[in-house]
Amino acid sequence: SAVISQKPSRDICQRGTSLTIQCQVDSQVTMMFWYRQQPGQSLTLIATANQGSEATYESGFVIDKFPISRPNLTFSTLTVSNMSPEDSSIYLCSVVPGSDEQYFGPGTRLTVT
Amino acid sequence: AQSVTQLDSHVSVSEGTPVLLRCNYSSSYSPSLFWYVQHPNKGLQLLLKYTSAATLVKGINGFEAEFKKSETSFHLTKPSAHMSDAAEYFCVVSDLGTGGFKTIFGAGTRLFVKA
Repeated sequence: SAVISQKPSRDICQRGTSLTIQCQVDSQVTMMFWYRQQPGQSLTLIATANQGSEATYESGFVIDKFPISRPNLTFSTLTVSNMSPEDSSIYLCSVVPGSDEQYFGPGTRLTVT
Repeated sequence: AQSVTQLDSHVSVSEGTPVLLRCNYSSSYSPSLFWYVQHPNKGLQLLLKYTSAATLVKGINGFEAEFKKSETSFHLTKPSAHMSDAAEYFCVVSDLGTGGFKTIFGAGTRLFVKA
């Protein structure tokens, strides 16, 4: 199993600014992911955070907008850059410690005004 | 390629009556299947999972799901709904194939429970 914490839990930001979200896991994991959940929607995978190399982004998401760091096997950050109201979402960190079960962080609720 | 279809965006039941949330999937590999619940302003909680063992899977809070390969379905059921079951439910398929670990979330089913 894995216990995941995220900071901040929520934030209200002005458009044009950037926010960095931190994800901390209580054990070393190879597979770590970032998801976005827009209001009233399901979860969409943003990227896979790779330790020691550049993240792998899904279609529709780019590094300039969502830069990701993964300095070690227990920590990652996601930055939402140059924010607009359309970026208002819940951002979730997720890990897969074994080969199937996925664990999710509590999420960061972002509101952009 | 993977896909997940939750057949109902909303389901409304009366307290004490059975719950059925429907999910169909497709996967090129041997998938693992999950149901997650998300209460308002809360995080995702795993209800149950299927990983190629018993086809009838029992989860928390009285929920269970049956994996039917011939129908490519993984419907979630509960014999008697409780008010606290009102939440959003997500069916999820994941597999570890040649492209790495892949997870697809269904669109979600909002469960309403009437008193």
